[in-house]
Amino acid sequence: DAGITQSPRHKVTETGTPVTLRCHQTENHRYMYWYRQDPGHGLRLIHYSYGVKDTDKGEVSDGYSVSRSKTEDFLLTLESATSSQTSVYFCAISEGGGTGYGYTFGSGTRLTVV
Amino acid sequence: GENVEQHPSTLSVQEGDSAVIKCTYSDSASNYFPWYKQELGKRPQLIIDIRSNVGEKKDQRIAVTLNKTAKHFSLHITETQPEDSAVYFCAARGFNKFYFGSGTKLNVKP
Repeated sequence: DAGITQSPRHKVTETGTPVTLRCHQTENHRYMYWYRQDPGHGLRLIHYSYGVKDTDKGEVSDGYSVSRSKTEDFLLTLESATSSQTSVYFCAISEGGGTGYGYTFGSGTRLTVV
Repeated sequence: GENVEQHPSTLSVQEGDSAVIKCTYSDSASNYFPWYKQELGKRPQLIIDIRSNVGEKKDQRIAVTLNKTAKHFSLHITETQPEDSAVYFCAARGFNKFYFGSGTKLNVKP
């Protein structure tokens, strides 16, 4: 496969509960990203990581936190889930941060907050 | 940061016709522009890309053109087939990350 897996693939959770999504890669790529995909908005960046313990915010980071304690894993946590966070979440990896380095996406996690 | 706009949001063509999707970007420092195809329920996948020092790139029925002066780039699909039906996203490379357009849903009618 693409060397990147997301878990879980589907999750239903209740408003106010914390949720953690996991992205795991076997490519040893430096860069990892979390995007959310919503109709009419395309893919919007939540957070990204440019190395172990190095992370930065994206355009829609409120309500989300991330952690990267080792190269292969990037965790996204919804601290207290809200209905507006119902979405499809994609993780992506990239070998580099400059020109010519594209993304490889995971299969996505469909999260429903009820 | 970068702002990428994509048009149209939906596009319906007859099989065998051509399809064109257009994107504009705001940051003149952006220098790498990939296009992704996303089939229903699947992950986005890279189909073609172009760097800022190139005006056009072709790969079989797919081509991308870039006008750096006007800050716009386009995806051209010729001889469309039903399997081309998908959502297409353009993107522009910013610092360490990509900014994506809002997507174009292409429907190819047999």
